[in-house]
Amino acid sequence: AQSVAQPEDQVNVAEGNPLTVKCTYSVSGNPYLFWYVQYPNRGLQFLLKYITGDNLVKGSYGFEAEFNKSQTSFHLKKPSALVSDSALYFCAVKSGGSYIPTFGRGTSLIVHP
Amino acid sequence: DARVTQTPRHKVTEMGQEVTMRCQPILGHNTVFWYRQTMMQGLELLAYFRNRAPLDDSGMPKDRFSAEMPDATLATLKIQPSEPRDSAVYFCASGEQGAPGETQYFGPGTRLLVL
Repeated sequence: AQSVAQPEDQVNVAEGNPLTVKCTYSVSGNPYLFWYVQYPNRGLQFLLKYITGDNLVKGSYGFEAEFNKSQTSFHLKKPSALVSDSALYFCAVKSGGSYIPTFGRGTSLIVHP
Repeated sequence: DARVTQTPRHKVTEMGQEVTMRCQPILGHNTVFWYRQTMMQGLELLAYFRNRAPLDDSGMPKDRFSAEMPDATLATLKIQPSEPRDSAVYFCASGEQGAPGETQYFGPGTRLLVL
């Protein structure tokens, strides 16, 4: 079984400040972890993923995420938020034996000017 | 820049009518996913195909929904008869199964409103 939790429905941050969007997961075996972003009236767009190797993964638009096995977390981070980062962010997890990822409910990120 | 395409982008119909949504996966991708997104339920998986074969449709209401892949370049999702509770955004995504940590590429979605 696999599951993912995004504990915050909404995250508010001021432009220029660092941002964190949280994600925790549960999976049997080693996880494959993903972050996707959805802008208004658009489909989900891949940001980054963790498969194996370095725990810090860098992705598109300056985003990065840190895989923490002991805390079963994969939080999304960015050092300096932009207003244009405002969107809905989805975390997803897949076990090695599954073909289908499980998505979280999404976190709305609002970056204030 | 290869993309997943979906048609129509918007559909307004009356209850009881048949609705057909189409998806063209990225050329060379061999997996297709259909999702439904609503405010209440979030993102729900409806169907999953690999090499055109349906492998998982456990999330799909069987009595009114059907999904097919007539060929490698076309996936369809049909609702017959449609009901107001089917109003949602329907997304298709494709991927290259076989690679570790397959990334999904989403289409722009079909926004369905059933009156």
